[in-house]
Amino acid sequence: GDSVTQMEGPVTLSEEAFLTINCTYTATGYPSLFWYVQYPGEGLQLLLKATKADDKGSNKGFEATYRKETTSFHLEKGSVQVSDSAVYFCALTRDYGQNFVFGPGTRLSVLP
Amino acid sequence: KAGVTQTPRYLIKTRGQQVTLSCSPISGHRSVSWYQQTPGQGLQFLFEYFSETQRNKGNFPGRFSGRQFSNSRSEMNVSTLELGDSALYLCASSLAGTGKETQYFGPGTRLLVL
Repeated sequence: GDSVTQMEGPVTLSEEAFLTINCTYTATGYPSLFWYVQYPGEGLQLLLKATKADDKGSNKGFEATYRKETTSFHLEKGSVQVSDSAVYFCALTRDYGQNFVFGPGTRLSVLP
Repeated sequence: KAGVTQTPRYLIKTRGQQVTLSCSPISGHRSVSWYQQTPGQGLQFLFEYFSETQRNKGNFPGRFSGRQFSNSRSEMNVSTLELGDSALYLCASSLAGTGKETQYFGPGTRLLVL
């Protein structure tokens, strides 16, 4: 079945450091790919998405490119802030019925 | 536009009891999905409803059930609660539940089973 693999962390960075969180997936066909973020005590918020190969999703300084050839959707940010501390989830969905498959989540802590 | 709302936010039950959780989607959204989030298993899909019909179901026992009303509000029910059912239950809504749509999540209901 479909699956998503991502580095689980925790990842600890200093403010203004460069961030990469790796995400790879296994799925047939052409899934849509998403990054969601979860702040403490809250639900998930969409960070960015890409619906076809070579699409780049971007939001709030975060970027990810849908790479069909490497089945990857790595999340990057050039300069993290303390407020970016959260858990980040990579996810895919392939069909009607919104059966999202999530990765295990990566906890990011940014220190001032 | 109001976001996805879930009630109650917190719940404590004992083993063997049953529980009903409620989710109100964003106005105009007709697809509602439910997820269970635990530290050990992560986020797992429970089921999805669209126009009062269950379209998709995850790999959970029959103790987990749900329904959707004509106004798109949804409820999920867990009968004969077990300790392992302690989790954060998240509801998400989207317009029509296609694979390319964004799902908007509620804040969740945290269930503790004692």
